[in-house]
Amino acid sequence: GAVVSQHPSWVICKSGTSVKIECRSLDFQATTMFWYRQFPKQSLMLMATSNEGSKATYEQGVEKDKFLINHASLTLSTLTVTSAHPEDSSFYICSARGPTSGSATYNEQFFGPGTRLTVL
Amino acid sequence: DAKTTQPPSMDCAEGRAANLPCNHSTISGNEYVYWYRQIHSQGPQYIIHGLKNNETNEMASLIITEDRKSSTLILPHATLRDTAVYYCIVGGPNTGNQFYFGTGTSLTVIP
Repeated sequence: GAVVSQHPSWVICKSGTSVKIECRSLDFQATTMFWYRQFPKQSLMLMATSNEGSKATYEQGVEKDKFLINHASLTLSTLTVTSAHPEDSSFYICSARGPTSGSATYNEQFFGPGTRLTVL
Repeated sequence: DAKTTQPPSMDCAEGRAANLPCNHSTISGNEYVYWYRQIHSQGPQYIIHGLKNNETNEMASLIITEDRKSSTLILPHATLRDTAVYYCIVGGPNTGNQFYFGTGTSLTVIP
C-alpha cells in the first residue's frame, strides 16, 4: 500500500521557537495532503487541507499564521508551528489522499506515523 | 464535524469475531464509509471502505445496511494485536474527501 512518512518523529523545543514538520508520500504523488492534531486521549482533529501549488485551507479556529503549511511538490507538505508555546504540545499527524483509481470517486487517506511535539 | 457515532469501548475474546457498530444516519448519497484503526501513538491505519455493498478484504468485512444509515466492521478472528481505537468515518467528493474523526471505539481483545 501507499506509504507516508513524517520527519521528525518527535521534537522537543523551547517556548518561542519555530518547528517544521515534514510529510512525504513515498511511492505516489499526492495533490492533497491533510494535517491533524491529536491531544492525549482525544480523537484526531483536522487542522487544514493542503493542496499542491495553492494555499492551504484551514479549519475554523485554526490560526493560519501560527500553523504555516507549504505544499510545494506532489510528494512533500510541511507544517511549521511558529512561536511555539506549551499549549501547542501535541501529536501532529499528516495524511495524503491516495491516487484516484479510474473513475472512482473515493480517495482513502494514508496516514503518516505522526510527530510528537513537546514545547518546554 | 463528525457524522458518525460509535460506542466508546468494547471487549472481545481472542479468537472470536469482533463486531464494531457505527451510526451514520445523515450520510449523503455519494459519501463513502471508511474504517481506520489507531494503535497507541501511531498514525491511523486504513482497514476498509464501502459505498453501499458489503465489502471484504484480508483484514475485515464491512456490512452496510440497506438504508446506509449504519454499518458494522467485523474482525473475524480477533487477536491481541487488534487492540486499538477504531474509527468509522464518512467522506466524499462533495466535502473534498476531508475526514472528521469522531471519538471512535476502543477495542480491547482479551486473552
